[in-house]
Amino acid sequence: EADIYQTPRYLVIGTGKKITLECSQTMGHDKMYWYQQDPGMELHLIHYSYGVNSTEKGDLSSESTVSRIRTEHFPLTLESARPSHTSQYLCASSLGRAETQYFGPGTRLLVL
Amino acid sequence: QKEVEQDPGPLSVPEGAIVSLNCTYSNSAFQYFMWYRQYSRKGPELLMYTYSSGNKEDGRFTAQVDKSSKYISLFIRDSQPSDSATYLCAMSGQREAGKSTFGDGTTLTVKP
Repeated sequence: EADIYQTPRYLVIGTGKKITLECSQTMGHDKMYWYQQDPGMELHLIHYSYGVNSTEKGDLSSESTVSRIRTEHFPLTLESARPSHTSQYLCASSLGRAETQYFGPGTRLLVL
Repeated sequence: QKEVEQDPGPLSVPEGAIVSLNCTYSNSAFQYFMWYRQYSRKGPELLMYTYSSGNKEDGRFTAQVDKSSKYISLFIRDSQPSDSATYLCAMSGQREAGKSTFGDGTTLTVKP
């Protein structure tokens, strides 16, 4: 089983609040990713990182921001949550030139 | 047009049936082909990984890649109720090692 963790698993929060979704991996993977996935829908890449201090926006525009200060940690922040941010957020990681990604269990976010 | 098109499903089969899941793609630079399985409310997990054209077998699962037709398939033999999940194809090119393009997913239900 992959050693990639996400917290919280579920979050219900009011509009306008600042939230940070945590993602950590203990596999020493250099690449990390954030995806957004609505129920029954496709994965959308919103951020990725190829290493410490390297972050890029993904294919889907997102109001969230990320940071990569440590290899194992890739938090995602929403400065002001809105109901349109309600979704599942999946974190993943991969090593070197390997194409396979290991996914965390996801955070289900509900913004009221 | 999306780079990766996946048969939409949903698919419902009786236990023991052979299942065929399919994706087509348009980017000829794709060389790495993956199949992920995602159970409800969980993150995707890697099922099969194939490089370039050919077949790969792992137990009841067989992945096929036909680069000339830009077509990949996942076959599940002797399907079990525990195979009920959403299956995602994913692919990547040499230049974007680690960053994959995902299909929308096909939801499979295997009925006992």
